[in-house]
Amino acid sequence: SQQGEEDPQALSIQEGENATMNCSYKTSINNLQWYRQNSGRGLVHLILIRSNEREKHSGRLRVTLDTSKKSSSLLITASRAADTASYFCATVSNSGNTPLVFGKGTRLSVIA
Amino acid sequence: GAVVSQHPSRVICKSGTSVKIECRSLDFQATTMFWYRQFPKQSLMLMATSNEGSKATYEQGVEKDKFLINHASLTLSTLTVTSAHPEDSSFYICSASRVRTRTNEKLFFGSGTQLSVL
Repeated sequence: SQQGEEDPQALSIQEGENATMNCSYKTSINNLQWYRQNSGRGLVHLILIRSNEREKHSGRLRVTLDTSKKSSSLLITASRAADTASYFCATVSNSGNTPLVFGKGTRLSVIA
Repeated sequence: GAVVSQHPSRVICKSGTSVKIECRSLDFQATTMFWYRQFPKQSLMLMATSNEGSKATYEQGVEKDKFLINHASLTLSTLTVTSAHPEDSSFYICSASRVRTRTNEKLFFGSGTQLSVL
């Protein structure tokens, strides 16, 4: 069943602006991951944050995790046209060896 | 980084034919591979988990006789869509996890296969 739910479903911003995407989930997790997908392509792993972490950075990416609210956010700073893609959160539950469950994704459009 | 190769990237076939999709981990060994299906502007839906040397585990609602999965080696898993019908048209993506890491941590994805059944 679907675990993560991203919002917004679609986001359009100007180049240089920051983009924030949110993800909510339902059950307890071991970790939460963010992936990027260019149209018609596979997914690329961006960042993984564990349940005992609250914030993580990677280049222009900043991910936060609030386990009390069962939510995460992905911030892309100083966006570029090349950041245009769909972004998915995916969770790994604490209940044993279970596969990643993906949210519906946020389609980001960065306009030059 | 680890590379997963998926082939073919696009296939068009007639209704009733079978289509085989290959997923290879090129520079690492993958004990576990996952097959996902994705409809336009939708999320990835897990179809099955493929473990090397054993039978695949299918998700509820996925017909195992329709979607045959074989994981014969640590670097290759195949998905065969048997007797394909137009409703099977979709984007199929495989992913793999490294042997040495805990299962389901960072996954490496193939580039996907767009299947169109006429």
